[in-house]
Amino acid sequence: GQQLNQSPQSMFIQEGEDVSMNCTSSSIFNTWLWYKQDPGEGPVLLIALYKAGELTSNGRLTAQFGITRKDSFLNISASIPSDVGIYFCAGLFSSGSARQLTFGSGTQLTVLP
Amino acid sequence: NAGVTQTPKFRILKIGQSMTLQCTQDMNHNYMYWYRQDPGMGLKLIYYSVGAGITDKGEVPNGYNVSRSTTEDFPLRLELAAPSQTSVYFCASSPGQGRFFGPGTRLTVL
Repeated sequence: GQQLNQSPQSMFIQEGEDVSMNCTSSSIFNTWLWYKQDPGEGPVLLIALYKAGELTSNGRLTAQFGITRKDSFLNISASIPSDVGIYFCAGLFSSGSARQLTFGSGTQLTVLP
Repeated sequence: NAGVTQTPKFRILKIGQSMTLQCTQDMNHNYMYWYRQDPGMGLKLIYYSVGAGITDKGEVPNGYNVSRSTTEDFPLRLELAAPSQTSVYFCASSPGQGRFFGPGTRLTVL
C-alpha cells in the first residue's frame, strides 16, 4: 500500500519563528491535503493542493504540491501560540470510485512563548 | 449546519462486548469514512462508503462492520470488542476530495 513519511515528528519553536514540515511518498498522488488537529478534536482541513507544482497560501500557511507528485511541504510563518497542535499531511489517489486517503504520522508542533 | 456529529464521545467496554458508534452528517455528502487513530499515529481507514447502500473495506476492517442505509448516517459496529480496538475513532464525510471530520469517539476496551 501507499505510505507517507512525514517529518519532523515533533518541533519546538519560539513564538514568531517560521516552521516547515514535509511529506514524501513512494507513490504519486493526485491531491495533497494538510490538516491540523487540536487536542481532543478531529482534524481540520487547512490547505488542499490539486496540481503538481501548485503553491497555495491560507493566511500564514503556505503549502506546495511537489513537481514529482510524491512530496509536499507546509510552511507556517511568524508562529503564534495557537499554532500548537498536530499537523498531518494526507495524499489522495483517486481511481474510479476508490478515493483512498493516506495519512502521514503527524508533526507535533509546540510554540514556546 | 452541524457538520459531522459522532456519539458517544467516550466509552469503556469490556472484552467481548459489542457497541455501535454513531455518525451523522447534514451536508448531503455522498462519501463517508471511518478512521481510527492510535497514539502518535496518523489515521487508518476502517471502512468507507461512496453512497447509500454501498460500503467497502479500508486498510483495517477486521473486527468492524458498517452499514449505510441513508445518506446521513454511517454507523460503525464492533461485535466482540478486543483490547486492540482501544483507539480514537473519527467519522468523516466528503463531497469529493477533502474530508470533514467529526469530533471523535474515544473507546477503551478493558
